[in-house]
Amino acid sequence: DQQVKQNSPSLSVQEGRISILNCDYTNSMFDYFLWYKKYPAEGPTFLISISSIKDKNEDGRFTVFLNKSAKHLSLHIVPSQPGDSAVYFCAARKFGNEKLTFGTGTRLTIIP
Amino acid sequence: DAGITQSPRHKVTETGTPVTLRCHQTENHRYMYWYRQDPGHGLRLIHYSYGVKDTDKGEVSDGYSVSRSKTEDFLLTLESATSSQTSVYFCAIRAGGADGYTFGSGTRLTVV
Repeated sequence: DQQVKQNSPSLSVQEGRISILNCDYTNSMFDYFLWYKKYPAEGPTFLISISSIKDKNEDGRFTVFLNKSAKHLSLHIVPSQPGDSAVYFCAARKFGNEKLTFGTGTRLTIIP
Repeated sequence: DAGITQSPRHKVTETGTPVTLRCHQTENHRYMYWYRQDPGHGLRLIHYSYGVKDTDKGEVSDGYSVSRSKTEDFLLTLESATSSQTSVYFCAIRAGGADGYTFGSGTRLTVV
């Protein structure tokens, strides 16, 4: 039962353009969402998060949008840079629960 | 990552042998986690700890045990390794709050 889904295993984007990564969830009890970035042979690193009381959070080139009614979130990266090439995981958490539930990941490739 | 180290980084073991993976932190964080990463599954929580001698199961805990006798060390033991436990194992730490999960660099375990 995959409660957090990333339906696109891979995505290729031209350098300088916008990258949009999508994530859907099924559990309405999730109230906090995070995005992680992972390079090969390294652990995931935290990128950006959003609480369910917000619908947008921005940090530099990264913006996360949350649509609670659709149970959908997206990560926008603009402009995309070669160093953004990595696997991106979205994750979700219920309030007061220690468990982060991860999606299966999307491999983003930025084409120079 | 600074403050969290996993050992060994790579291990090949035979089916039926016991294996222990170690996670060591220098941050004095309360929470520690063990995840496994597999293709098509993202990261899945195995066990976590919320203090010395305080541990709980995650979503894929069967076949694994953990121990935390000191704040800085969290051990993951496969009592009798099976081929299905071939995976990349990540440890994570967290001080508190919803953000701030810091992951180690991972241990690649192969069970032959």
